[in-house]
Amino acid sequence: GAVVSQHPSRVICKSGTSVKIECRSLDFQATTMFWYRQFPKKSLMLMATSNEGSKATYEQGVEKDKFLINHASLTLSTLTVTSAHPEDSSFYICSAGVDFGAGTRLSVL
Amino acid sequence: QKEVEQNSGPLSVPEGAIASLNCTYSDRVSQSFFWYRQYSGKSPELIMSIYSNGDKEDGRFTAQLNKASQYVSLLIRDSQPSDSATYLCAVTRAGAGGTSYGKLTFGQGTILTVHP
Repeated sequence: GAVVSQHPSRVICKSGTSVKIECRSLDFQATTMFWYRQFPKKSLMLMATSNEGSKATYEQGVEKDKFLINHASLTLSTLTVTSAHPEDSSFYICSAGVDFGAGTRLSVL
Repeated sequence: QKEVEQNSGPLSVPEGAIASLNCTYSDRVSQSFFWYRQYSGKSPELIMSIYSNGDKEDGRFTAQLNKASQYVSLLIRDSQPSDSATYLCAVTRAGAGGTSYGKLTFGQGTILTVHP
């Protein structure tokens, strides 16, 4: 079974709303988890490293105020896309260890 | 130079043939190497990991690692149409044995098409 659980799998929202995506490590305690973004037919782009109990480390060009990451426990990291706009529509994927969640497809209308 | 390089393809092979996917990396300190398969619209799925020079076989898959040449490859024997996907190579400095490998650096992926 899946060792990384990600929810929801799909979100459709109106422009201006915020969307929260959860990522859970099911079989080990993950001090770090990772968030990626992927556009159609493009490669994975690392957005940030989620660090348990401390601030996330964002990759260059990723707006930390736009993509809020919280890693309050060793098994849960959340990514909140704040004030989402159509250009934020993408496939968001989390990982813990070497395993990926199933991904969340975000569509902003 | 990209940190992890793969030929983007597409690589097209007939059903039953051997598909050979290649990857080079620039960080000489890399210790752990992974191959992922990603179907269209899905997240990556780990199919092979390799940590030591040489070959590692798992079913129809064989991973090959040459740290001196900074080269890792994946062979798929008896290719099936269901193997058609994008294959991602990933490397990290972390060694084997733990659950946390730190940040993985990915190649851009090779698209494989297996035609009947």
